[in-house]
Amino acid sequence: AQRVTQPEKLLSVFKGAPVELKCNYSYSGSPELFWYVQYSRQRLQLLLRHISRESIKGFTADLNKGETSFHLKKPFAQEEDSAMYYCALITGGYQKVTFGTGTKLQVIP
Amino acid sequence: DTEVTQTPKHLVMGMTNKKSLKCEQHMGHRAMYWYKQKAKKPPELMFVYSYEKLSINESVPSRFSPECPNSSLLNLHLHALQPEDSALYLCASSQPGQGSEQYFGPGTRLTVT
Repeated sequence: AQRVTQPEKLLSVFKGAPVELKCNYSYSGSPELFWYVQYSRQRLQLLLRHISRESIKGFTADLNKGETSFHLKKPFAQEEDSAMYYCALITGGYQKVTFGTGTKLQVIP
Repeated sequence: DTEVTQTPKHLVMGMTNKKSLKCEQHMGHRAMYWYKQKAKKPPELMFVYSYEKLSINESVPSRFSPECPNSSLLNLHLHALQPEDSALYLCASSQPGQGSEQYFGPGTRLTVT
């Protein structure tokens, strides 16, 4: 069975500090991993996907198959980064989606 | 049009009622999804439609009945629900294919009394 673990429910950092949101997964096949974000009063939206290896809003995430992790990082947190972040594992091509429990990021001014 | 729309925004229904949730997208996506999200929990996948055919049913009780009448529309028919079915119901769509982004609607807040 596939599983996604986000160990921190809440992560509070000061503005300008580095941020790391942890995500570990359990899946025997070849995973597709995503980070989705939900800002206050907005709908869930894609932030990053591992296959594109891009940086969005200063965030990056690297898939580490050895450690089965896909941690989200940003060197300098901004207030507008405050949101709920979900790590998601997709298998069966594009269909079976498992979300992690989510981490609420709070950036303190 | 890059939005997924859902109606109604809010729904209150009794346990003996029959109601439907509606989801619409005009992005040409051929995969559509229903999720259930309880308060302070992540979205849980319920159903997946691929090219208008049901491809995944995550052991959802039969009181929830999905329907995909065409490539732009997705319905969720509700009948004889229980109070524990109260939740936010999210619809999403994507292009079929590896690495495809899912586009989410704003959700329908359902309360079963």
